[in-house]
Amino acid sequence: GEEVAQTPKHLVRGEGQKAKLYCAPIKGHSYVFWYQQVLKNEFKFLISFQNENVFDETGMPKERFSAKCLPNSPCSLEIQATKLEDSAVYFCASSQGTEQYFGPGTRLTVT
Amino acid sequence: ELKVEQNPLFLSMQEGKNYTIYCNYSTTSDRLYWYRQDPGKSLESLFVLLSNGAVKQEGRLMASLDTKARLSTLHITAAVHDLSATYFCAVDFSGGGGSQGNLIFGKGTKLSVKP
Repeated sequence: GEEVAQTPKHLVRGEGQKAKLYCAPIKGHSYVFWYQQVLKNEFKFLISFQNENVFDETGMPKERFSAKCLPNSPCSLEIQATKLEDSAVYFCASSQGTEQYFGPGTRLTVT
Repeated sequence: ELKVEQNPLFLSMQEGKNYTIYCNYSTTSDRLYWYRQDPGKSLESLFVLLSNGAVKQEGRLMASLDTKARLSTLHITAAVHDLSATYFCAVDFSGGGGSQGNLIFGKGTKLSVKP
């Protein structure tokens, strides 16, 4: 597609539950990025992929967060045992070159 | 440490006035991006600046990059209410060379344009 698609739009989870977010990058883009935007508007990089390979995972809280980009499937970001501080908007972006195009985001609320 | 600092963080302007938002970054990069975000929405790409001295203009917005000073500016000319939004600068510190690094964002400048 011509736009980055993210599902679901909103996700509500109780503390300790699992959350899974999906991202379909723009067709032909080989890089995918996940960012977290918390309430103060600050963006935090989580992880990036080059095709199905992890490119940079320096921002990932590894104990509870995991991500995959498998061929012919949407990329996914999974949070095991969510915590209140995981409440944020999670943006996916894709790129083929210098510019990153952002999806509409998934708002995760942990109660 | 890789840092991107924007100022001001809040900007209240009157319609018709001019103003500049500043974006400083901590170490060498020649890939700087400006985005606009409306409340509850995603990031809209405004400008991509890829070399020292780059200047780009779109409507009432003009962005420039000085890689030696590690400074980018977003200049607003004759502001109108429709420009009210949060503006982010973001820097790719990866060094390019064909790869694509993650972005480090400034904290954003919340612009409010009043009649």
